[in-house]
Order: sequence, then structure tokens, then C-alpha cells
Amino acid sequence: NAGVTQTPKFRVLKTGQSMTLLCAQDMNHEYMYWYRQDPGMGLRLIHYSVGEGTTAKGEVPDGYNVSRLKKQNFLLGLESAAPSQTSVYFCASSYDMYEQYFGPGTRLTVT
Amino acid sequence: AQKVTQAQTEISVVEKEDVTLDCVYETRDTTYYLFWYKQPPSGELVFLIRRNSFDEQNEISGRYSWNFQKSTSSFNFTITASQVVDSAVYFCALSEAVGRGSTLGRLYFGRGTQLTVWP
Repeated sequence: NAGVTQTPKFRVLKTGQSMTLLCAQDMNHEYMYWYRQDPGMGLRLIHYSVGEGTTAKGEVPDGYNVSRLKKQNFLLGLESAAPSQTSVYFCASSYDMYEQYFGPGTRLTVT
Repeated sequence: AQKVTQAQTEISVVEKEDVTLDCVYETRDTTYYLFWYKQPPSGELVFLIRRNSFDEQNEISGRYSWNFQKSTSSFNFTITASQVVDSAVYFCALSEAVGRGSTLGRLYFGRGTQLTVWP
């Protein structure tokens, strides 16, 4: 039982490049979330999903897209990376929406 | 409006001292959940506790204790006899009841308190 895993752990992008962050959970959770963590800001919700095939915007969705084609996977895409997207990205999943299990994080640097 | 306020940005203590991390929250809901997470230098988020709004009983777990007071909208976290391994960033978070205009159980995080425990 791996819990919540994130791929990759680290990535460096140049401005304008694109990439996809993968979140996978093996707990059969319906709800999945993407957060970003910036220094002194805590974690802020980017997008979330309440089930396979559904996604919705969170607090800071601009510049990101997501997809939930399979229940166990939640993908976060950056179509044209900007330095402002340099951050640590956390994925979380939840069974009952009140207790979230977090992945180990992905550290992204955009130069 | 910020829903969770952690006014202490950084705290430094010497090993074996007691330390309290403050958390003040804001919500219009009568049903909500409060959380504390620990983020050690390795970066992962470690769940510490969840408390629902109907349970004001204080909780103790080893050297950790939590004081929930609805009257002051506070959910403070105390570490007794602190140790170097307690050095981390601690986040308080709030989740509001589903269907009350909230984003389906999303967590509102405070900005965190960096705790450093010196040997």
C-alpha cells in the first residue's frame, strides 16, 4: 500500500516549457486535490476532483490544467511554465473529504 | 479573508522547554474540522490531529496536546519537553462542512510556524 505518490520529485523547467505532474493513489479515494506551497504562504488549493472524469478550480487555478481520467490518477499540467510557478506541489486524496492524505511533494523550479 | 491565522512565524526554544503554537480560525459554519500538520525538513506533510467542531475536549498524545476553544476560535498546540526532532514547520488547517459554500472539504491552511528546537 503506497498511499499517495507523486512523480517526479524534482524538476527544473525553462520559461515557456510544459510538463505534467502525476499523482497516484491506491486507496480507492474519490476526492483528490492539488496544492502549491510557497514560502510563508502555507498551502493553497489549485484544482480538485470529486471523482473520475470531474475536476474543478480551487483558489489559484490560473496557468494550470488538470485531468482525472482514472480514479487513481490526478494529473496537473503546466502548458507554458512561468517563474511564478516555482513552488512545491502537493497532491492529496481523501475518502470522506475531511481527512486528506498527502503525497511527498514535487519541487518545481522554473528559470 | 484569511480563515486560519498562525501569528507566530518562527519560534526558537531550547530542548526540554515547553512550547505552544497558536492557531486562530474564522468560519461561519457550525460544523467544521480543524487539523494540525507537521512538515519536517524532509518536506513531507505529517498528519497530527483532526478535531471536529462539536468536540471541545482537549487531547493529549504523548508530549503533544491540543487546546480547542470555540469561544475564542482557537486551536492551540503544545509540545511538552521539546526535542530537537520536533524542529519543523507546523501548519494549522480548517475544513468546512460540505455544501455550505465550501469547496468540498478543501483545507484552508495557515501560513505555518517554523519551530526550531536547539540542543
